[in-house]
Amino acid sequence: DAGITQSPRHKVTETGTPVTLRCHQTENHRYMYWYRQDPGHGLRLIHYSYGVKDTDKGEVSDGYSVSRSKTEDFLLTLESATSSQTSVYFCAISESTPVHEQYFGPGTRLTVT
Amino acid sequence: TQLLEQSPQFLSIQEGENLTVYCNSSSVFSSLQWYRQEPGEGPVLLVTVVTGGEVKKLKRLTFQFGDARKDSSLHITAAQPGDTGLYLCAGGYSTLTFGKGTMLLVSP
Repeated sequence: DAGITQSPRHKVTETGTPVTLRCHQTENHRYMYWYRQDPGHGLRLIHYSYGVKDTDKGEVSDGYSVSRSKTEDFLLTLESATSSQTSVYFCAISESTPVHEQYFGPGTRLTVT
Repeated sequence: TQLLEQSPQFLSIQEGENLTVYCNSSSVFSSLQWYRQEPGEGPVLLVTVVTGGEVKKLKRLTFQFGDARKDSSLHITAAQPGDTGLYLCAGGYSTLTFGKGTMLLVSP
């Protein structure tokens, strides 16, 4: 299995608070991704990174920001959490292009009350 | 946005039965991937199909890529309870788009 960890694995937070989720990889893969998974919507791309300090928006980027200061870490920040951001968040990595095979982390279940 | 439609959405069968799930699009893809996701875990890559008409086998799972590279199917022979999970197809050109998945439940 690819070495991908996510932290925290579960989090409950209140509306309006900032939240940061962390993804850490030990594979030295160039590309990293953040997805959210919701019933009826499937997996949707939030943001992705193609290198240190290089990021781009995905399908559902509003309300989220990301940072990648090291190859191994990709952070997802909700500046002011809303109830619509309650979801399961997955980090993924890939070795080459964004349409190359991806390897997923175990997920973070976030509840915004 | 390239849409991937998966069918059926849900499938409940008995152990030993055969089944096929489908992934269809109006777009042409350079490749399609299939993933399986078990409850509480992230998706795990099963296979990538690249060439139109390609067939790949993974034990009891057979994956086929349509000749026009717009669709794919996954056939499971003699399903087992361990096959239970959400099966996702994915494809794209700049980033991956995922279908909503087929939830498969195999009962003993």
